[in-house]
Amino acid sequence: GENVEQHPSTLSVQEGDSAVIKCTYSDSASNYFPWYKQELGKRPQLIIDIRSNVGEKKDQRIAVTLNKTAKHFSLHITETQPEDSAVYFCAATYYSSASKIIFGSGTRLSIRP
Amino acid sequence: GAGVSQTPSNKVTEKGKYVELRCDPISGHTALYWYRQSLGQGPEFLIYFQGTGAADDSGLPNDRFFAVRPEGSVSTLKIQRTERGDSAVYLCASSINGGSYNEQFFGPGTRLTVL
Repeated sequence: GENVEQHPSTLSVQEGDSAVIKCTYSDSASNYFPWYKQELGKRPQLIIDIRSNVGEKKDQRIAVTLNKTAKHFSLHITETQPEDSAVYFCAATYYSSASKIIFGSGTRLSIRP
Repeated sequence: GAGVSQTPSNKVTEKGKYVELRCDPISGHTALYWYRQSLGQGPEFLIYFQGTGAADDSGLPNDRFFAVRPEGSVSTLKIQRTERGDSAVYLCASSINGGSYNEQFFGPGTRLTVL
């Protein structure tokens, strides 16, 4: 079935350090993997995405990696800042369902000053 | 330009009542989605519209839930005989044409509380 597992559920890092969030997906037909950031009481916002024909993508301090063989993908945030504190969701769309997004359960990231 | 908007922002109702939640997508976006987000969880897909038609309603939990988009723009999610378990934030999103790689833009959500 369609499933996205995400861990850890909570993550606390020192400001300036790196944070890594990992996800696995179940459907080998998945072809698109967006990551959303949701601040408390706010709407989810796309921060980066990766397609299944790409292994890695970087945007300033944020990078995503994808291992299609293992069905793993990860979010890496370097040089963390206080404004990075939020809940992060990985997600996968499914080819069979075109635009249906299946979200992970989220990682609450806290940046310690 | 204006983003996705949803009304009301909060809705409190009693068990057994009927509620309607409204979504205004970004102008020109043909694809519209409804999700439900329970506390501490990721958004859960409910239904996807392409234009006026429901292209995928596989996420609707039961027949108490129904959604319409009669003119291909505004959408209404309707919940009959509400139950306490329906309490959640209902999120709406839109994308330009529903393609797999198109970003989905989310609205602020409607927080539904069923007493």
